[in-house]
Amino acid sequence: EDQVTQSPEALRLQEGESSSLNCSYTVSGLRGLFWYRQDPGKGPEFLFTLYSAGEEKEKERLKATLTKKESFLHITAPKPEDSATYLCAVRHSSASKIIFGSGTRLSIRP
Amino acid sequence: EAQVTQNPRYLITVTGKKLTVTCSQNMNHEYMSWYRQDPGLGLRQIYYSMNVEVTDKGDVPEGYKVSRKEKRNFPLILESPSPNQTSLYFCASIGLAASSYNEQFFGPGTRLTVL
Repeated sequence: EDQVTQSPEALRLQEGESSSLNCSYTVSGLRGLFWYRQDPGKGPEFLFTLYSAGEEKEKERLKATLTKKESFLHITAPKPEDSATYLCAVRHSSASKIIFGSGTRLSIRP
Repeated sequence: EAQVTQNPRYLITVTGKKLTVTCSQNMNHEYMSWYRQDPGLGLRQIYYSMNVEVTDKGDVPEGYKVSRKEKRNFPLILESPSPNQTSLYFCASIGLAASSYNEQFFGPGTRLTVL
C-alpha cells in the first residue's frame, strides 16, 4: 500500500538552530515527491518537487534532498517566520493520485 | 494573478441538504483535485481530474461527486451531507506544462460544518 510518513510530528527549535525533517515513502513508481508549507487556516504553499534519488533543491534557508526511500527537508539557521507545518506528498506513476503525509509542525523560538 | 478560488469559504449546513462547493483556477491547468484536511489525518485526496470530462477517485471519494465540464472549474458536490463530512476542504490545480510541471496551487479552503 502506498504510504507517506513524516517525522517528527512536532519540532521546536531555537532561532538559528538548524535541523532536518524526514519524509519516508513507499510508492509503486515515484512520479514526484513534493514539499509544502502550510500556515494555520491557509492552503498549502508549494516549495519543491523532487523526481529522482540524489536530487537536491534549495530555497532560502530550506534544502530538500531525495533518496530511494525518503526525503529530508533541511532548515539552516531558521527564523521565527519559518514556523509552520511542513507537508510532504508523493505522486505515483500508475495513477495520478497524490498522497500526503500528516506533516511536521515546526516552531521556531526567538 | 495566478490563483485558485473556492466558494463559499465557510458553510454551516444540516444533514441531508445538498450543497456544492465551487472551485475555479485561472492558470489553464489540466489537473485539478479536491482534498479534505482533518486533525491527525492530514490531507486526503477525494477526487481528481486530469482534464475536461475525465475524473478519478482519490482515497476518500465516498459521499462526494465532482464534474469537470470546463477546464477552469471543478465543483465538489455533497448530495446528502453527513456530520462525518465536517472538515476543511481544499481545491488545487497542477500545471502539466514543462515550465511549471507538478507545481500544485491550492485554494484558500472551505470550512464545512454539517450539523
